Amino acid sequence: KQEVTQIPAALSVPEGENLVLNCSFTDSAIYNLQWFRQDPGKGLTSLLLIQSSQREQTSGRLNASLDKSSGRSTLYIAASQPGDSATYLCAVLGNTDKLIFGTGTRLQVFP
Amino acid sequence: EAQVTQNPRYLITVTGKKLTVTCSQNMNHEYMSWYRQDPGLGLRQIYYSMNVEVTDKGDVPEGYKVSRKEKRNFPLILESPSPNQTSLYFCASSSGRLSGANVLTFGAGSRLTVL
Repeated sequence: KQEVTQIPAALSVPEGENLVLNCSFTDSAIYNLQWFRQDPGKGLTSLLLIQSSQREQTSGRLNASLDKSSGRSTLYIAASQPGDSATYLCAVLGNTDKLIFGTGTRLQVFP
Repeated sequence: EAQVTQNPRYLITVTGKKLTVTCSQNMNHEYMSWYRQDPGLGLRQIYYSMNVEVTDKGDVPEGYKVSRKEKRNFPLILESPSPNQTSLYFCASSSGRLSGANVLTFGAGSRLTVL
């Protein structure tokens, strides 16, 4: 059974820092891995989707990498801003066509 | 604006009183899904639908029902709510199968409390 773990559970950093969020999964047989952002009172917003054949995806200040063989993904946020404060979730899609979510990393970026 | 709309956003109810959480999308999406989010457990899938009149169980379907009579609507029904169904619920939709690299669009969530 696929399990997805995100470390750390919470992170607080000063504005301007580069930071890395981690996601690990137990079954490497995945179609893709996705990173989402969740803001209080709002739904989840898709940030990046990495296909199993890809190594990384980039969008603006965000870069996500995937190492399928080791069951790991990282989300790199460059030059963090207070507006980046949110909970970040990773999710993996296996052969059952179901997304399995991690429990998230709650990020706070203070001025 | 392309969106998934859930109602109600907040609800407090009592054990056993039937309730329906509505979900509607305006993107002509084929795939729709319901999730619940609980502290320490992440999002878990309740039910999903690949198209009209096609629904299937997710990982935690007990105590819930769904229907997909129209493409745009996918209501979640709690026939006899219990306190363990207190949770934050999300509806989501996608243009096709998730294995086709289709991205989910989520509603804003419905916070349900069952006393």
